[in-house]
Amino acid sequence: ETGVTQSPTHLIKTRGQQVTLRCSSQSGHNTVSWYQQALGQGPQFIFQYYREEENGRGNFPPRFSGLQFPNYSSELNVNALELDDSALYLCASSLAGIAGVNEQFFGPGTRLTVL
Amino acid sequence: SQQGEEDPQALSIQEGENATMNCSYKTSINNLQWYRQNSGRGLVHLILIRSNEREKHSGRLRVTLDTSKKSSSLLITASRAADTASYFCAYFTGGGNKLTFGTGTQLKVEL
Repeated sequence: ETGVTQSPTHLIKTRGQQVTLRCSSQSGHNTVSWYQQALGQGPQFIFQYYREEENGRGNFPPRFSGLQFPNYSSELNVNALELDDSALYLCASSLAGIAGVNEQFFGPGTRLTVL
Repeated sequence: SQQGEEDPQALSIQEGENATMNCSYKTSINNLQWYRQNSGRGLVHLILIRSNEREKHSGRLRVTLDTSKKSSSLLITASRAADTASYFCAYFTGGGNKLTFGTGTQLKVEL
């Protein structure tokens, strides 16, 4: 069984650019959630994907978008980068059943720096 | 904001001592979880306590939950230097698919 992986580990971009972050979910998991964690803060929920559709969204603008693929891996895209987008981006996978969302398993994160 | 709050924000103790962290939250929950994060990396799930449980143990960890006060505590007994990390409480909101985290406690265990 493989765990959650994310790529790249680190990324440096400039204001106005676009970025794509990638996440491979744990084997057997069908749900991927993305979180943004600013320095010294707790993670903030961006959105969740279940069966390739967005299944809940936090308080983030539309320039934050995502995709989930048939193999349940996922991408987070951020357009028109701003300095405040600098953060650790965490991906978590889980197995959603009829009763709701189960324990989420987190990847190591991607550290994004916007200059 | 529905974000939970934790205290203390930072805690420094000697190896062998116990560390207690508290979490307060604002909504009704089905369960509450605690996570550890080392040096700004990924989160590791430590323990989950359900709303109908008052106390739960896992190794050196003891978690309590008081739903009437909307609060939880995490006790780490006989702490070790390797326990140095940030600890977060978390719970599901928004229909059960949004994990809301507390503000975190930075624990430093010194030799």
